[in-house]
Amino acid sequence: QQQVKQSPQSLIVQKGGISIINCAYENTAFDYFPWYQQFPGKGPALLIAIRPDVSEKKEGRFTISFNKSAKQFSLHIMDSQPGDSATYLCAASKSGGGATNKLIFGTGTLLAVQP
Amino acid sequence: DAGVIQSPRHEVTEMGQEVTLRCKPISGHDYLFWYRQTMMRGLELLIYFNNNVPIDDSGMPEDRFSAKMPNASFSTLKIQPSEPRDSAVYFCASSFGTGRGGGGTDTQYFGPGTRLTVL
Repeated sequence: QQQVKQSPQSLIVQKGGISIINCAYENTAFDYFPWYQQFPGKGPALLIAIRPDVSEKKEGRFTISFNKSAKQFSLHIMDSQPGDSATYLCAASKSGGGATNKLIFGTGTLLAVQP
Repeated sequence: DAGVIQSPRHEVTEMGQEVTLRCKPISGHDYLFWYRQTMMRGLELLIYFNNNVPIDDSGMPEDRFSAKMPNASFSTLKIQPSEPRDSAVYFCASSFGTGRGGGGTDTQYFGPGTRLTVL
């Protein structure tokens, strides 16, 4: 029940296209869903996050869509740019108690945006 | 702010040797996390501390791994003896509080990682 499943493993998109990465979780107690962006040789960095009280959150070209009933959330990158080429990691956690801040990560998606 | 600092950035050692990885969290942060990242298993949480106290070490693979946090500005992850299967990138991350934004998880700030190769 702690697992977060992420797909696809890798993704190639043309410049200007839409990149879509999906994640699914099992633990219904999860209430925080961040996406981290990781460039080669660097540590992950928070990109955008959502809580289940909303179904969508948008920040610039990046949007999280959240489907509570299906236990799924996805990252959409609009007008993808070569500079977006990186590994994207979804994660989930539950707040409160001793488990606060314990993030469970997906296995990552390697995105390549071709010019 | 300098961010989370990790050292060394690269470590190559031989099987059986002791390895010590070091981390300096962001000043003022009260949570510190150690992760391991491999192609096969992705990013795994090994252990995390709150106010220098280990809270959850269920991700530590075996007794060869140990972590300490003697003060708020320093933590170590030690592997003794090291094995080739320990080869991975080890990340340290820190965060502040338990949800100043209304309850829940705060942003974790990751260091640049230590790439460990055990021959």
